[in-house]
Amino acid sequence: GESVGLHLPTLSVQEGDNSIINCAYSNSASDYFIWYKQESGKGPQFIIDIRSNMDKRQGQRVTVLLNKTVKHLSLQIAATQPGDSAVYFCAENRGYSTLTFGKGTMLLVSP
Amino acid sequence: GAVVSQHPSWVICKSGTSVKIECRSLDFQATTMFWYRQFPKQSLMLMATSNEGSKATYEQGVEKDKFLINHASLTLSTLTVTSAHPEDSSFYICSARGWTGGENEKLFFGSGTQLSVL
Repeated sequence: GESVGLHLPTLSVQEGDNSIINCAYSNSASDYFIWYKQESGKGPQFIIDIRSNMDKRQGQRVTVLLNKTVKHLSLQIAATQPGDSAVYFCAENRGYSTLTFGKGTMLLVSP
Repeated sequence: GAVVSQHPSWVICKSGTSVKIECRSLDFQATTMFWYRQFPKQSLMLMATSNEGSKATYEQGVEKDKFLINHASLTLSTLTVTSAHPEDSSFYICSARGWTGGENEKLFFGSGTQLSVL
């Protein structure tokens, strides 16, 4: 079936570096994408979202890029901090359907 | 921002007993709530979709008689794990969908419940 997947299960960076977390999706009908951050023992926390009619959206220290041609989504975190260490999930949505989550990428930030 | 409260945050129970988990939307009305299950180092797996005042819709492979869902009001949904067994041990997360202003109806998550069945 169609699914959302991630390329890198673990990403290790130094504090202050920029981090890029990638996600591939296969459902071309998906029109809404969300990135979530999940810390250990907690529920997912909304980071940023993007609709399919956009290719870039910026938030505070985070940017989401959407490449519909190759069905690729990325989350860029500027000046990564130790507090950014967590598991990051991308999720896709089509119309008013339920979210489908990707496998997740663990981000480890070293001081 | 919108808050979804989930209780308890962790529970330990004996095999064969039932456990109830509550999910409340504190500052908005949630027409739809979702229940997920998450095993260690894995993604969230949707168990069921709950609409206020109607029966929940369960995902394939999820036993509706084992995981009872009640969504009696626009701010409260409950998940009861009946006759729990060690294989039911997992992290259970609820989410609620509702309008909190802005252009999109967003999904907000509870803090999760770690269930350990002995």
